[in-house]
Amino acid sequence: AQKVTQAQTEISVVEKEDVTLDCVYETRDTTYYLFWYKQPPSGELVFLIRRNSFDEQNEISGRYSWNFQKSTSSFNFTITASQVVDSAVYFCALSEMNSGNTPLVFGKGTRLSVIA
Amino acid sequence: DTGVSQNPRHKITKRGQNVTFRCDPISEHNRLYWYRQTLGQGPEFLTYFQNEAQLEKSRLLSDRFSAERPKGSFSTLEIQRTEQGDSAMYLCASSGTGGSWNEQFFGPGTRLTVL
Repeated sequence: AQKVTQAQTEISVVEKEDVTLDCVYETRDTTYYLFWYKQPPSGELVFLIRRNSFDEQNEISGRYSWNFQKSTSSFNFTITASQVVDSAVYFCALSEMNSGNTPLVFGKGTRLSVIA
Repeated sequence: DTGVSQNPRHKITKRGQNVTFRCDPISEHNRLYWYRQTLGQGPEFLTYFQNEAQLEKSRLLSDRFSAERPKGSFSTLEIQRTEQGDSAMYLCASSGTGGSWNEQFFGPGTRLTVL
């Protein structure tokens, strides 16, 4: 069975601080995808990143960076110099890698509040 | 370019009533997914379609729930004899199937409140 754990329920930071959101996953599959989604107060899920299990290279996109470590089954997300607009609930998710898409398994989310 | 749309956005009903939600996917997408999100939780998979075929159903989908996608375009999710525990946000997502992975695009959701 697949499972995603986001141990941090809520995090509050002051603007311009760096913040890391933790994600630990469990799967019996040897090939899989990992994702991060953002859910702002409006409610619509916004895709941020997808990584496949073959590629452990860290990725940076602007103020966002992701650290994938297969050895610890973790896929952590760091926001550098946080801004008020980063306030949202962030979800980590997992999916099998097979032909075409399969349903996503989400964690419970981490609510990030960035205070001006 | 329109994204995934869902109607209604909000629904308030009394326990025991039937409700139906509609999802219109992105037009060229042939996969359509339904998820349910309760307060403080992540979305949980309910069911998904490829074209008009329902490929998988979660055990969360009790016999009071039924989903259809009759012509492989829009989909409906019906809940019969609603219970207070059905109160949640119902999310629809769609994707294509070409290539190794196709991003799932989510709609704004339908928030159901059962009184």
